[in-house]
Amino acid sequence: DTGVSQNPRHKITKRGQNVTFRCDPISEHNRLYWYRQTLGQGPEFLTYFQNEAQLEKSRLLSDRFSAERPKGSFSTLEIQRTEQGDSAMYLCASSRGVAYPFEETQYFGPGTRLLVL
Amino acid sequence: GENVEQHPSTLSVQEGDSAVIKCTYSDSASNYFPWYKQELGKRPQLIIDIRSNVGEKKDQRIAVTLNKTAKHFSLHITETQPEDSAVYFCAASSSRDNYGQNFVFGPGTRLSVLP
Repeated sequence: DTGVSQNPRHKITKRGQNVTFRCDPISEHNRLYWYRQTLGQGPEFLTYFQNEAQLEKSRLLSDRFSAERPKGSFSTLEIQRTEQGDSAMYLCASSRGVAYPFEETQYFGPGTRLLVL
Repeated sequence: GENVEQHPSTLSVQEGDSAVIKCTYSDSASNYFPWYKQELGKRPQLIIDIRSNVGEKKDQRIAVTLNKTAKHFSLHITETQPEDSAVYFCAASSSRDNYGQNFVFGPGTRLSVLP
C-alpha cells in the first residue's frame, strides 16, 4: 500500500492520559499535514511540516499538543493530559512539495479516532 | 484568515438527477480549490480540483466552476448514482508564503442519492 497510513486507527483513553499517534506519508512526499475533524465538520488544520521543519501551527494547537517529524519521513502527534474535548478524528495528509506553484493535492490517511473518557 | 462557507448542508436527489454544491471563500489570495468526498468512516478522497487560472474543469460526471470575482466555486455532479452518496467538502488555500499551503475546509454537504 503506497498511500498515507496512520496508527493506531482507534484510541480510547482516560482523561489526563497522554496519547501519541503516528503518520507515515507517501514515500516521496516532502510535506506533511495534521488535521482534526469532529463529527459533522470539515477537517481543521493543526500543523504542517516541510521535511523535518515544522513551518506552521494553528491557534487550535494548544501547548498540550506537540508534533514532530524528526527525519523528514514519518510524523508523530502527541497530546498530553488529554481532555474530553480532544475527542475527534485526527487526520494526516501529505503532498509532494514541489517548487512554485505550490497548489498541490493533499492525500489523506485513514485517520486515528480518539475517544477520551 | 480564510473562511469557507458551503451550502447546502444536506442534499437529497433522485438517482439520475444532477447535484450542485456551492462554496464561498473570503481570502482573495486563495488560488487552489479542491473538492473531497468522504464516505462514512473513510478518509477524504480528492475528486476534483481547480486552480485560479481557470474558470471550469470537468472530469466525466463531475465538474467544478470558479468565479474569482465573486469568490465562489461550485461542484456539479450529473447523472447521480447511489454510490455518489457521501459527504462532500470544499476547501480553499493560498500559496503566497512560498511554504506550501494549508487548506481551509467548508463544513461539508451530505449528499443522498435516492434509488
